[in-house]
Amino acid sequence: DIQMTQSPSSLSASVGDRVIITCRASQSISHYLNWYQQKPGKAPKLLIYAASSLQSGVPSRFSGSGSGTDFTLAITSLQPEDFATYFCQQSYSVPLWTFGQGTKVEVK
Amino acid sequence: EVLLVESGGGLVKPGGSLRLSCKVSGVNFISYTMNWVRQAPGKGLEWVSSISSSGSFIYYADSVKGRFTISRDNAKDSLYLQMNSLRADDTAVYHCARELVGATVNWFDPWGQGTLVTVSS
Repeated sequence: DIQMTQSPSSLSASVGDRVIITCRASQSISHYLNWYQQKPGKAPKLLIYAASSLQSGVPSRFSGSGSGTDFTLAITSLQPEDFATYFCQQSYSVPLWTFGQGTKVEVK
Repeated sequence: EVLLVESGGGLVKPGGSLRLSCKVSGVNFISYTMNWVRQAPGKGLEWVSSISSSGSFIYYADSVKGRFTISRDNAKDSLYLQMNSLRADDTAVYHCARELVGATVNWFDPWGQGTLVTVSS
């Protein structure tokens, strides 16, 4: 199985900060990488697909980059509604999907 | 709007069984591969099972193979997960999710809010 490792597992930030979350795959997955946001008690929401494509309706302060084994999710100018947990997901070995363990973005 | 609503969760004893349902609305259900994903308390996401649009192709995570059965009823726009021989480590919120196929990459969108399964004596 392809293992996905996110870092950090949590971070503290303030409104207006720039936040970077990384996701590393245990083998090359090209651009087969998606990012989701999840708030407590809610369903995960797709933010980014194919490593860098912004899902319709997602604010442009979110961006994704990377290919191969190393990927990043960036949030420029963090907003109050962005405090949540973020997960990466590889879709290279469909249907054997795997996720990162999550990164919780908390209020500083 | 596409909506996925799970039901059927609850408290069950180890070794017991439970059947989860996922009712889909707002979309042509028969067109899509569907998935179950679970999240243990305070933990990350774990893919559980996948079923193709016709039901012909079915896949399971090793952790549930031989114990869980995924199925669908396209006439009822519904997805199911029959869970047998439940163990404490099956305790989780179970989400259903629609799989979308892009030019090269697949992804899940949307997801249901989930139903909680607790396995405890």
